[in-house]
Amino acid sequence: GAGVSQTPSNKVTEKGKYVELRCDPISGHTALYWYRQSLGQGPEFLIYFQGTGAADDSGLPNDRFFAVRPEGSVSTLKIQRTERGDSAVYLCASSLTSGATGELFFGEGSRLTVL
Amino acid sequence: GEDVEQSLFLSVREGDSSVINCTYTDSSSTYLYWYKQEPGAGLQLLTYIFSNMDMKQDQRLTVLLNKKDKHLSLRIADTQTGDSAIYFCAENTDKLIFGTGTRLQVFP
Repeated sequence: GAGVSQTPSNKVTEKGKYVELRCDPISGHTALYWYRQSLGQGPEFLIYFQGTGAADDSGLPNDRFFAVRPEGSVSTLKIQRTERGDSAVYLCASSLTSGATGELFFGEGSRLTVL
Repeated sequence: GEDVEQSLFLSVREGDSSVINCTYTDSSSTYLYWYKQEPGAGLQLLTYIFSNMDMKQDQRLTVLLNKKDKHLSLRIADTQTGDSAIYFCAENTDKLIFGTGTRLQVFP
């Protein structure tokens, strides 16, 4: 498809397990963003990539969270030793450029539930 | 720091105008945005305004910006039931910072 694709759409896991969430951005978009949205809240910034490098990872809550984008296209958000508080919808977005002028196109999100 | 605030709920009758308000704190924001989120769907950009503008109109949507007070509003004219959704304002320096969202409910 032409939009941002995220997999899985739903993931249920047990506390302490490792989880990977994948984002496939729109072709040609150099900037890629990860956000987390808890129930009743606005999206909370986690990290963004410009190409292959993480330009700003200031939103990652702790060292259990890590993201990569090795070839400047697909990105994976990795969560180690999951906790119940990690339950949220993880949103990915991409844009042609980073910075203030680029419109962000969002995927439908990956809903993570940690039991 | 960065903080964007919105009222949580708004309920209007179909055909009336809706006004959703937002305050932000980062005066260096170049653009300010309004996004719409419908149940089970991704965030969709509705409109945006450049920080040196006071107003922008786009069909039924009017955005007003008061940069001195760091206040942004979105007016939806002739609100329809299909406008029921959560609306987020967002400020952008190098990344989008979203507000908490306003749930708009439109009743017949």
